[in-house]
Amino acid sequence: AQRVTQPEKLLSVFKGAPVELKCNYSYSGSPELFWYVQYSRQRLQLLLRHISRESIKGFTADLNKGETSFHLKKPFAQEEDSAMYYCALSPYGGSQGNLIFGKGTKLSVKP
Amino acid sequence: KAGVTQTPRYLIKTRGQQVTLSCSPISGHRSVSWYQQTPGQGLQFLFEYFSETQRNKGNFPGRFSGRQFSNSRSEMNVSTLELGDSALYLCASTRDGSYEQYFGPGTRLTVT
Repeated sequence: AQRVTQPEKLLSVFKGAPVELKCNYSYSGSPELFWYVQYSRQRLQLLLRHISRESIKGFTADLNKGETSFHLKKPFAQEEDSAMYYCALSPYGGSQGNLIFGKGTKLSVKP
Repeated sequence: KAGVTQTPRYLIKTRGQQVTLSCSPISGHRSVSWYQQTPGQGLQFLFEYFSETQRNKGNFPGRFSGRQFSNSRSEMNVSTLELGDSALYLCASTRDGSYEQYFGPGTRLTVT
């Protein structure tokens, strides 16, 4: 079965500390993986996509097919990073609009 | 460019009634996806429409249905509402050939 697991509901770190949001997936093919973010009182929006291998707002995520993981990392957290983060999988290489989401991790960055 | 809009933003319905929610995608986007968000189950995919045709469907009962019009606007309908249908319903639109989904603000449905 296709599944995305985010084991932490809440992650609390201090400003300047490294942060890692965990994401594991279950999928038999070659998935397309994403991180979406929802800041307070804003809409859900795309943060990054695994295939682009970009760093967005200082965040990076590497797809590890052996461990079926796609963890989101940032070396130095900022208060403005506080938000809900969702890992998502697309079974169709991202070309079609059905995403399988994890349940999300709330990141709280304390001053 | 205007974002994805959803109407109404809030709805209160009674068990057994039916409800129709509307989504207007970003101009030029032909794909519209619908998701249900609840505290217990998180974000779950309902269905996707592309050029007036349902392209993908999630694992929801037949009480949940949708359609898309020639201007790409989409509606979803839930018949015979149950208490468990209380949720935030999100729609998202995508440009042809793109992977990025643009989400609307959602419609908060409460079933009493």
